[in-house]
Amino acid sequence: GAGVSQSPSNKVTEKGKDVELRCDPISGHTALYWYRQSLGQGLEFLIYFQGNSAPDKSGLPSDRFSAERTGGSVSTLTIQRTQQEDSAVYLCASSLELAGVETQYFGPGTRLLVL
Amino acid sequence: TQLLEQSPQFLSIQEGENLTVYCNSSSVFSSLQWYRQEPGEGPVLLVTVVTGGEVKKLKRLTFQFGDARKDSSLHITAAQPGDTGLYLCAGVRLQGAQKLVFGQGTRLTINP
Repeated sequence: GAGVSQSPSNKVTEKGKDVELRCDPISGHTALYWYRQSLGQGLEFLIYFQGNSAPDKSGLPSDRFSAERTGGSVSTLTIQRTQQEDSAVYLCASSLELAGVETQYFGPGTRLLVL
Repeated sequence: TQLLEQSPQFLSIQEGENLTVYCNSSSVFSSLQWYRQEPGEGPVLLVTVVTGGEVKKLKRLTFQFGDARKDSSLHITAAQPGDTGLYLCAGVRLQGAQKLVFGQGTRLTINP
């Protein structure tokens, strides 16, 4: 596809259940980012992948959050034992560096509601 | 700790008025980006300012990067209802995994 895609677009789950969010980056983009955005707020950085490696996982809110990337392409963000405070929009971005300036291209997000 | 402070957080004005949104930090960034986000979509990059004191214009939008590369402003002239949205500034860092540090955003509403 031409842009970053994410699935599902919306997810409603019950407290305590696990959820898996998927991100398909733009083809050829080696860097991939996950962010969390609470209602109408700025973006909270979660994790960054360069290729399949995540050099820094310190942005993940708790050990219930994990992420992986395979084949340098698709990434999944998994939230185990979801809590109501996990409700937010989860955004994925892939990036390309041109002339020393990195530009991130965002997907439409997955809206997660934990009941 | 919010590294980038945006103000105002909410702004509602009438069509045709001018407005300025500010993005301030105590940290120096290699460059600064402004994004616009509409409901149900991800942020879309509007501009990147790289040099201290740089001014960039995008139609009715004027972006300025502070001389010390710690702050920026977005000025909209003769605002239109189509300008409504969430405007986010993001400081670009060369070091560390978190390449972009986002402000909390300014929710702008332009009333017809």
